[in-house]
Amino acid sequence: GAVVSQHPSWVICKSGTSVKIECRSLDFQATTMFWYRQFPKQSLMLMATSNEGSKATYEQGVEKDKFLINHASLTLSTLTVTSAHPEDSSFYICSAKQRGSYEQYFGPGTRLTVT
Amino acid sequence: GNSVTQMEGPVTLSEEAFLTINCTYTATGYPSLFWYVQYPGEGLQLLLKATKADDKGSNKGFEATYRKETTSFHLEKGSVQVSDSAVYFCALSDSGGSNYKLTFGKGTLLTVNP
Repeated sequence: GAVVSQHPSWVICKSGTSVKIECRSLDFQATTMFWYRQFPKQSLMLMATSNEGSKATYEQGVEKDKFLINHASLTLSTLTVTSAHPEDSSFYICSAKQRGSYEQYFGPGTRLTVT
Repeated sequence: GNSVTQMEGPVTLSEEAFLTINCTYTATGYPSLFWYVQYPGEGLQLLLKATKADDKGSNKGFEATYRKETTSFHLEKGSVQVSDSAVYFCALSDSGGSNYKLTFGKGTLLTVNP
């Protein structure tokens, strides 16, 4: 089946620094990628949707200047958390889908801890 | 807007017990409905889906029927195994737009004991 990887699987950074998370589709072309955030015992919350070569579309309440999303190729999307603060600590999950398909394939997630 | 409400866990069962995880939804239009499963340390995987009313999705012994009249999509399995221990998410996808955005429930942790 289709595989999506995320890197790193966990990261610790200091408050005020930026951190980049990568999401890769390993064996298919991902025309659309999604970024989710998951709090403990909570649902996955969609942060933004990105189509290859286009600017990301952010959900209401998500700061686009803080969560920078780049989807420059059909196999790679990145999420950069800028000027991170402890409240940004969370589990970030990406998913990817092919054009015309409804099915999303999920990465294993990245645990971000901001100290 | 769209929302999904699923049974809160955790759920603990003995092997071979019957499983039901309730899921109800609120949506405009005619959404597609999904169950995803997340095994420990892995990403979410699609377990089954149903795209229209009265459809039954099934996979690996799990079943769920799209009930429009009760806006429900309950997950069932007749005899669970230890290997079914995981977190189960109910989700819906907007029928409009080409991006098929998903709205998830909070997830239900299932533990099956031998």
